[in-house]
Formats: sequence, C-alpha cells, structure tokens
Amino acid sequence: DGGITQSPKYLFRKEGQNVTLSCEQNLNHDAMYWYRQDPGQGLRLIYYSQIVNDFQKGDIAEGYSVSREKKESFPLTVTSAQKNPTAFYLCASSPLSTGTTNAYEQYFGPGTRLTVT
Amino acid sequence: GQSLEQPSEVTAVEGAIVQINCTYQTSGFYGLSWYQQHDGGAPTFLSYNALDGLEETGRFSSFLSRSDSYGYLLLQELQMKDSASYFCAVTSMDSNYQLIWGAGTKLIIKP
Repeated sequence: DGGITQSPKYLFRKEGQNVTLSCEQNLNHDAMYWYRQDPGQGLRLIYYSQIVNDFQKGDIAEGYSVSREKKESFPLTVTSAQKNPTAFYLCASSPLSTGTTNAYEQYFGPGTRLTVT
Repeated sequence: GQSLEQPSEVTAVEGAIVQINCTYQTSGFYGLSWYQQHDGGAPTFLSYNALDGLEETGRFSSFLSRSDSYGYLLLQELQMKDSASYFCAVTSMDSNYQLIWGAGTKLIIKP
C-alpha cells in the first residue's frame, strides 16, 4: 500500500533534549513538508523540500532542522532551541507537475504528537 | 501579509446542507484548497479551485470568487461522519506556492 508513515505516534521528551521525528513515503512524490499544528489552530509550515539534498524554510523554521538525503525520507529534528516544542507534527508529500511548484494537493501521514516536559 | 478567515464553528442537522465560508488576503493568488480533518487525524484533501466558479465532487462542492477573495465549501446530505474540522488553504506567489492555512471550522452535526 502506498502512503506516508510517521513514527512514533506519541513521543515524550525532557526539556533540553533534541528529538528526531521520522517521515517516510513510498508514493514517489518529489515534494515533502513538515507542519506543526497547535490545538484549535491551522497548520503552520516548518520546512519543505522539492528535491533531494535541497530544502527551504517555512514560516516557523527556528529551532528545527531537516535533511533530505533520499527521495523517500524527510526527518525532522526538534532541537532544544525550539521554545515551545509540544505540538502535533504532520508530514506530507505531494507530486509536482512539470513547470509548477504549486502543491495544493498534499497527502499526510498520521502525525506524531510530541510532548516536552 | 497573508491571512485567511473562516468561522470557528458551524452546527447543522443530519441530512441538511451547510456552507463553510473562507475569505483571504494575499498577493499573487493562485488557488484555494479545502481539507477535512477528523479529531486526532491527519488532513485529507477535498477540493481545489483556481478559477471562478463551482467545482462539484459528490456531496461536496467548492466555490471561488477571485474578485471577492472569497470561497466556500458546500456539504450536502450531511452525515454524522462529516463531523470534522474543515480548513481552507491558499497558494500564492507570496507564499512561494506553499499552502497557507486558515484556522479551521469545526462542523458539528446533530441527529
């Protein structure tokens, strides 16, 4: 079955620790994204990548880092510099049509709920 | 800057029709998308409008008016399983064609 997997579903960490969230897709999509969702709010873009070995900052990149060494994988590291890391993290992917980067149809993984205390 | 406004909550009755509105402010508007998210779940894509008019997909339709910077999602023959949050999201030159999301509308359906 094609899709996006995120692991783990729930993650608990102590303040001051870095933590890496996994995201893998087997949809052969070029673009991948990381979003953060806080209760009662919309999604905010952290980082996105349209091609292997390249990625761009979204609106709230501070305190986060990513890598895109393989087309299928786009892990997100939440560093100790992120002031309020407790949130629901969603990974998504989308195909990119030739000549456009308009990625309006995105496919999401099940999310990772991170709690930092 | 960019902004999207949608009602925080809408209540409707099973079997009825409901409309969820979305107004946006952005430069270089490209298109308006709608997503559904059940509690605790991931968003799923519903529809996309780049041109003025109505797009219909089964019980769901989406409308766009570029001149009014306004769109809506219309849900017909409401079912209990439609209880969810609905998000509008725009892509634009301002956002480098990435999705900018509204805060979501929680749809409550009563029997």
